Amino acid sequence: EAGVAQSPRYKIIEKRQSVAFWCNPISGHATLYWYQQILGQGPKLLIQFQNNGVVDDSQLPKDRFSAERLKGVDSTLKIQPAKLEDSAVYLCASSLVREIGELFFGEGSRLTVL
Amino acid sequence: QKEVEQNSGPLSVPEGAIASLNCTYSDRGSQSFFWYRQYSGKSPELIMFIYSNGDKEDGRFTAQLNKASQYVSLLIRDSQPSDSATYLCAVESSGSRLTFGEGTQLTVNP
Repeated sequence: EAGVAQSPRYKIIEKRQSVAFWCNPISGHATLYWYQQILGQGPKLLIQFQNNGVVDDSQLPKDRFSAERLKGVDSTLKIQPAKLEDSAVYLCASSLVREIGELFFGEGSRLTVL
Repeated sequence: QKEVEQNSGPLSVPEGAIASLNCTYSDRGSQSFFWYRQYSGKSPELIMFIYSNGDKEDGRFTAQLNKASQYVSLLIRDSQPSDSATYLCAVESSGSRLTFGEGTQLTVNP
């Protein structure tokens, strides 16, 4: 079974530039999550989708971050404009609806903002 | 108060010893509790989950839950150098959000 796919793995940008991350969850997993993990900290939920719909985006900085999930499968997370404090690993995860909490993570996208 | 708090660590134990990792949570309505392991530079992976009060054993790992005290722990028996990693406690709170603690870094010395 293929795992959660993410790209790009690494990205370096200047502050105020924009960046987009892509995620393809495990086939059949209806729930998709984007987490932000700053070095030395635990993952922080940015947004949770169930199929096409947003379940929780209360911690998403909506003035600069946006996310969408097309046709209930792939998802894109965008940051525009980026700030220095956005430097982090952006983790995408997926789970079966009935097994919330049992997340399968992708390898992550490491963002460095200079 | 943080939603999920863990021992700040780092925790260092000799090979073969028992490693004890602790976690407290603030939401009394939480029903599901998880331990994830994260190797340096890698993504978290689920190692244990527990839903009911008491102990749950899986090989060398034992998860313990006490909802009255809002406390979850993970014991690793016969610790091995390959267990060296950061252990993340995660709690499913009301509204089905999974909240992670900051993690405890464990080092097992040969």
